[in-house]
Amino acid sequence: GAVVSQHPSWVICKSGTSVKIECRSLDFQATTMFWYRQFPKQSLMLMATSNEGSKATYEQGVEKDKFLINHASLTLSTLTVTSAHPEDSSFYICSAGTSGRGSGEQFFGPGTRLTVL
Amino acid sequence: AQSVAQPEDQVNVAEGNPLTVKCTYSVSGNPYLFWYVQYPNRGLQFLLKYITGDNLVKGSYGFEAEFNKSQTSFHLKKPSALVSDSALYFCAVRDLRGRSSASKIIFGSGTRLSIRP
Repeated sequence: GAVVSQHPSWVICKSGTSVKIECRSLDFQATTMFWYRQFPKQSLMLMATSNEGSKATYEQGVEKDKFLINHASLTLSTLTVTSAHPEDSSFYICSAGTSGRGSGEQFFGPGTRLTVL
Repeated sequence: AQSVAQPEDQVNVAEGNPLTVKCTYSVSGNPYLFWYVQYPNRGLQFLLKYITGDNLVKGSYGFEAEFNKSQTSFHLKKPSALVSDSALYFCAVRDLRGRSSASKIIFGSGTRLSIRP
């Protein structure tokens, strides 16, 4: 149980295009989903927290108009990188959690590697 | 402010020897503490967590961690290392003040564990 998937696992796009990454909780309902980015050999940095049916809360320094997050259902959240540029190339990881699961543990997806040419 | 520190960028251990990956934390309130492992180009895999109770926590793949409140540490240990343990390890903390999963997880900088045959 507690499986989180991400799609696609990797994507290459041209500069200026938009890319959508999906995060799904496969066997549980996620009231909250988190989006992280990870640069090579660095730690995970939280970008935003999204709750189903409401606007995402972005961390300081993260442009909400560039990184659009939608959490339309209890099993799906999407991150859209708009007008992507090479500096947006990174490993994006989502996690999902639910307040009803004891310690409120988060379960992580396998990540999406974005390369912007 | 919450923070997690992993003072070692890399730990090298011979196979069969015990290993320790260090972590110290600083939070307001009681902490939830986690260890995650990341293999190349993969998401995070949960190893173990401390919420309350016994200070020695046992987790996946033979790993354990010792919670030390006076030293604010949560070091990861394994009695006998395997080559397959080579990976990137993250210590993380979540503030218990938020019972829901909406509370942030703060990750350490990561420690690369290298086990030589």
